[in-house]
Amino acid sequence: AQKITQTQPGMFVQEKEAVTLDCTYDTSDPSYGLFWYKQPSSGEMIFLIYQGSYDQQNATEGRYSLNFQKARKSANLVISASQLGDSAMYFCAMRASGSARQLTFGSGTQLTVLP
Amino acid sequence: NAGVTQTPKFRILKIGQSMTLQCTQDMNHNYMYWYRQDPGMGLKLIYYSVGAGITDKGEVPNGYNVSRSTTEDFPLRLELAAPSQTSVYFCASSYEGQVRTEAFFGQGTRLTVV
Repeated sequence: AQKITQTQPGMFVQEKEAVTLDCTYDTSDPSYGLFWYKQPSSGEMIFLIYQGSYDQQNATEGRYSLNFQKARKSANLVISASQLGDSAMYFCAMRASGSARQLTFGSGTQLTVLP
Repeated sequence: NAGVTQTPKFRILKIGQSMTLQCTQDMNHNYMYWYRQDPGMGLKLIYYSVGAGITDKGEVPNGYNVSRSTTEDFPLRLELAAPSQTSVYFCASSYEGQVRTEAFFGQGTRLTVV
């Protein structure tokens, strides 16, 4: 079974500062993928970034980067230069090779960017 | 390119009523999913399908049924609505179930059972 844990229900960050959203995972599969999705107040799910378990480098996509620490089973999302539009719910999710059909989600972190 | 389309966007049901949540995708994805999201919570998998004619239960299937007669469509059926089914429902699809394949989501259906 696979599990995603997000321990920060809510986070606040000042505009233009960086923020780290925590995600830890648990799986016995050696091959897995980790995803981050953004859900603004309008409700849609927006894919942000992906990290594979065998990827040698941490993933980056614009202002988003993933701090992947495989031994600690953590995949934290770093948002640099926060913008007001970054205020949203952020979900960490995982798909493992043994259950590649399923995408398992954490409970989410509500990020609020302050002006 | 519409992506994943869900209808309706909002619905209020009375206890015991039935309804079908529609989901269609135009990306020729073979994997499709139904999730529910309770307030302040993450998404829980209800059912999924790996292709036309093939469906399987997820984490919380009780009270729901699905069918997959075509690649494009994956409707979710609620037979006897209960207040515990008040939630936001998301349909998603992906090209295949490999670990690095992202899922594309519909806009969601907000269902209230009274």
